[in-house]
Amino acid sequence: AQSVAQPEDQVNVAEGNPLTVKCTYSVSGNPYLFWYVQYPNRGLQFLLKYITGDNLVKGSYGFEAEFNKSQTSFHLKKPSALVSDSALYFCAVRDMNYKLSFGAGTTVTVRA
Amino acid sequence: NAGVTQTPKFRVLKTGQSMTLLCAQDMNHEYMYWYRQDPGMGLRLIHYSVGEGTTAKGEVPDGYNVSRLKKQNFLLGLESAAPSQTSVYFCASRIGRGGQGSNQPQHFGDGTRLSIL
Repeated sequence: AQSVAQPEDQVNVAEGNPLTVKCTYSVSGNPYLFWYVQYPNRGLQFLLKYITGDNLVKGSYGFEAEFNKSQTSFHLKKPSALVSDSALYFCAVRDMNYKLSFGAGTTVTVRA
Repeated sequence: NAGVTQTPKFRVLKTGQSMTLLCAQDMNHEYMYWYRQDPGMGLRLIHYSVGEGTTAKGEVPDGYNVSRLKKQNFLLGLESAAPSQTSVYFCASRIGRGGQGSNQPQHFGDGTRLSIL
């Protein structure tokens, strides 16, 4: 069965500094990976996905993610974090039946 | 463009009561999903539907039932609510499998916050 792990419950960074949110995956076959963001009292919003092709995927709001097959990782990155990036971030992997399995989530706090 | 709409937004129930959560989408999506979100556990799939008239069990289906009588609506029912079902419930939808549909993201509603006393 497929699964993802987000090893950090919380990530704290200063505004303007680089932001990285870690995700590792376990799948049989090709991985289909997604990142979502959740703001307080809202549903999840899609940020980006990796299906195939370039290992660096660019998404919404200046976020990007780097797919690394040898390390089975799909880390989310932003070169310069904003206070407004403070939110809960979820990594997810799609299975062969087109269902998503989500990680436990990482709370990002960007301080001014 | 409303996207995915969930009603109600909040509800408090007593143990043993029943209720139905409604999810409606206006994007003509084939697939619809019900999740529950609990602290530190991410989202767990309760039931899902790949088309009108079809439903299937997800990871945590016990204590819940669903129906998909119309393509745009997906109902989640609790027949006899228990305190363990206190959670935030999210509905999501996705375009079908045809073409690039299988690689498209799910679209989420803003959730229903349910407390069971």
